This record gives sequence, C-alpha cells and structure tokens, in this order.
Amino acid sequence: GESVGLHLPTLSVQEGDNSIINCAYSNSASDYFIWYKQESGKGPQFIIDIRSNMDKRQGQRVTVLLNKTVKHLSLQIAATQPGDSAVYFCAENMEYGNKLVFGAGTILRVKS
Amino acid sequence: EPEVTQTPSHQVTQMGQEVILRCVPISNHLYFYWYRQILGQKVEFLVSFYNNEISEKSEIFDDQFSVERPDGSNFTLKIRSTKLEDSAMYFCASSKNTGGSGNTIYFGEGSWLTVV
Repeated sequence: GESVGLHLPTLSVQEGDNSIINCAYSNSASDYFIWYKQESGKGPQFIIDIRSNMDKRQGQRVTVLLNKTVKHLSLQIAATQPGDSAVYFCAENMEYGNKLVFGAGTILRVKS
Repeated sequence: EPEVTQTPSHQVTQMGQEVILRCVPISNHLYFYWYRQILGQKVEFLVSFYNNEISEKSEIFDDQFSVERPDGSNFTLKIRSTKLEDSAMYFCASSKNTGGSGNTIYFGEGSWLTVV
C-alpha cells in the first residue's frame, strides 16, 4: 500500500551548518512530492515541491532532491537558522490528485 | 498573504457529543480538505471536497463524519457522537485546483479537539 517514511526522527544541527532531512516513499505511482514545515501548535507550512520529472529543485536556502530509482526524497537547508527548528514532513501526491500522504516527520533542532 | 482560518482553536467536548469544526478556505480556492493529526503522529488525510461534493475520503472518514459548505465561504467538519480516539488536531486545507504541481495545498492553523 501507500506509505511515506522518514529515516531519522530527530536531527540536531549547529546554527549556520547545512541540514539534510531524508524521506523514503514506497508508492512508485506518486509523481508529486512536497516538503512541509510544522512549528509547534501550527499547521503544516509549504516549503518546496518537486515533480517526478525533475531530480532537483531549489528555493530560497532550500533544495529538494528526488531519486526515483531508490524512491528517496531529501530536503537540504543551507545555513540553518534557529527559526528553522520545527518538524519537517515529506508528503506525496499524484500529479492531479487531491490526497496528500504524509511521512512520519523529522524534528529539526538548531543549536545556537 | 491569504490564509486558511479555522475556529475554534481548541475545543473540549464530552464523549458522545457532536462537534462542528469550522474553516474559511482561501477565497479563490476550489478544493477543500480536512486532515487529522493525533498527538505525536503524522498528518492523515480525511476528506477532499469539490463542487459541493466529496471527491475522495479515507477509511477514517466513516459515517461519524460529515462535511458541508453551508455558504460561499465556510467549510465545516461535523463529528457525531465523539469518541476518546477522536482527540486530535484537525487541519482544514484548500487549493486552487487539484493538489498537484503549481496548486499548493495550504493548511490552516488547526483546531485541537479534546474528547473527555
């Protein structure tokens, strides 16, 4: 069945370092992937997305990498800041679907 | 920046009571959703809604649940005869079109439901 999972539940990084958050997915039919950030007590906030016909997409300080061969997705955050501390979820969807399947989440802690 | 708004932010209800969670999606969006997050767990899809009808629902969304768009701005989730295991954060979301590339699904801040 469909499932999206994360390798590391908690990631601690020093302020200024780069962060890499990983995600594995199992539904090879998924063709659209999204990273969300969730701060304590708030709803998921869109960070960046990528379609399955791409392997890399860059935003402001963030980069998403997609490896369809091994069904792996990662989020890279450059120069991590204390405000980046949150739970990060990957989610998958069909290109014209309307049901996100979320992963379990990774806690990112940024140490000053 | 337009946002999805939800009320109430927190509701405590007794087991067996009915609860209505309310949402105002982003104004030019056409697709509406409810998701649920039990404390410490991942966000789970409940239902999607388009053109005044349910377009997809999960196994969680059984006869206990219903959704409605009572007017041009509100989107509600009704939970009948609440159970302890219904305690969770309920997120409303919306998108302009189907939630693929270029049609980001935006989430509200959530309504925290506690069933006692």
